[in-house]
Amino acid sequence: GQNIDQPTEMTATEGAIVQINCTYQTSGFNGLFWYQQHAGEAPTFLSYNVLDGLEEKGRFSSFLSRSKGYSYLLLKELQMKDSASYLCAVEPYNFNKFYFGSGTKLNVKP
Amino acid sequence: EAGVTQFPSHSVIEKGQTVTLRCDPISGHDNLYWYRRVMGKEIKFLLHFVKESKQDESGMPNNRFLAERTGGTYSTLKVQPAELEDSGVYFCASSQDRITNTEAFFGQGTRLTVV
Repeated sequence: GQNIDQPTEMTATEGAIVQINCTYQTSGFNGLFWYQQHAGEAPTFLSYNVLDGLEEKGRFSSFLSRSKGYSYLLLKELQMKDSASYLCAVEPYNFNKFYFGSGTKLNVKP
Repeated sequence: EAGVTQFPSHSVIEKGQTVTLRCDPISGHDNLYWYRRVMGKEIKFLLHFVKESKQDESGMPNNRFLAERTGGTYSTLKVQPAELEDSGVYFCASSQDRITNTEAFFGQGTRLTVV
């Protein structure tokens, strides 16, 4: 099977920075994805990393280290609307499907 | 442009009954995927269509589940007969190309409750 681990829940303050970690142990690796999901809504794409390093997209950045099987999602200048679940997903080999972690529920408080 | 739409949004059925879930992908997306999230667990892959062909159905739990995509447009997922453990949220996603080449878009999901 594929082991993808991320914290269950995190709490941060509006305006702050939060880092959500994801570790994975998969048979082969073809890319790592982060999705955001508000309660009752569709997961929406945030980022995709295939090479080591940092990908920045506005207030959100995602980092990947393939040798360590590690990624993180960095959210800056937190807003209340960032309260959601953040899903880490991996595509092993060339399977063209996601293997998801259980998701991290982020609570942003005033 | 409409996103991925799923119907119904909620379904409550009794054990032993049949339920059919529908997914309308984004127009022009050849790739259609079904995923499921059982309570307290991660979202898990069920199967993948390319147009009307089943590319990968390795995640289908058992033969009570039947997925179709006639004509390569919308897809249905039928559960017959439903069991208690089938309760969960069923997500559909679509993409124009492979998920590493193009973005995969998800629907809001169908929450299935089997009582």
